Amino acid sequence: EAGVTQFPSHSVIEKGQTVTLRCDPISGHDNLYWYRRVMGKEIKFLLHFVKESKQDESGMPNNRFLAERTGGTYSTLKVQPAELEDSGVYFCASSQEDFNEQFFGPGTRLTVL
Amino acid sequence: GQSLEQPSEVTAVEGAIVQINCTYQTSGFYGLSWYQQHDGGAPTFLSYNALDGLEETGRFSSFLSRSDSYGYLLLQELQMKDSASYFCAVLIYNQGGKLIFGQGTELSVKP
Repeated sequence: EAGVTQFPSHSVIEKGQTVTLRCDPISGHDNLYWYRRVMGKEIKFLLHFVKESKQDESGMPNNRFLAERTGGTYSTLKVQPAELEDSGVYFCASSQEDFNEQFFGPGTRLTVL
Repeated sequence: GQSLEQPSEVTAVEGAIVQINCTYQTSGFYGLSWYQQHDGGAPTFLSYNALDGLEETGRFSSFLSRSDSYGYLLLQELQMKDSASYFCAVLIYNQGGKLIFGQGTELSVKP
């Protein structure tokens, strides 16, 4: 069974540009989460999808971040325009009905210059 | 607010036993999870405690005391490959589960 995949693995952009991150969850997992780890800090929750619906987006930093999950399969996280403080590793995770075991992807390392 | 405290780093030798503690202050507590992360890669689920007591999975065990807002991860018969970051994370249930992570404990296993 394939795990959670994320693309790209690394992205380096300049301040003000736009970046779109993609996450493909484990097949059949209705729950999809985005988390972010900024250098030296804890992994922080961004938002949670159940199928195509946003269940909880309380962790989204501001309106420069837009997450979608069309058709309840893969998800994208767009940052527009990117700021320096958006640099970090963005993790995606998915789970079945029981939320306690979340399967994480390898992350996308975003660097904003 | 939500906060979790765990030691930033721990060092032990091969074959030893190490305990990584975690205390938390959160609202909406549902359970305590532990994740392992090698070299900044994908965090990997190790264990979950929803009820007080000890859960054992091979060389790893996890303990929870809800009344003390405290838990720990116990690693036995340490191996070099156990060198990694270990995160405790509280599962919050509010119309869906989300994890609130501690800052992680860097475990170094020496020969």
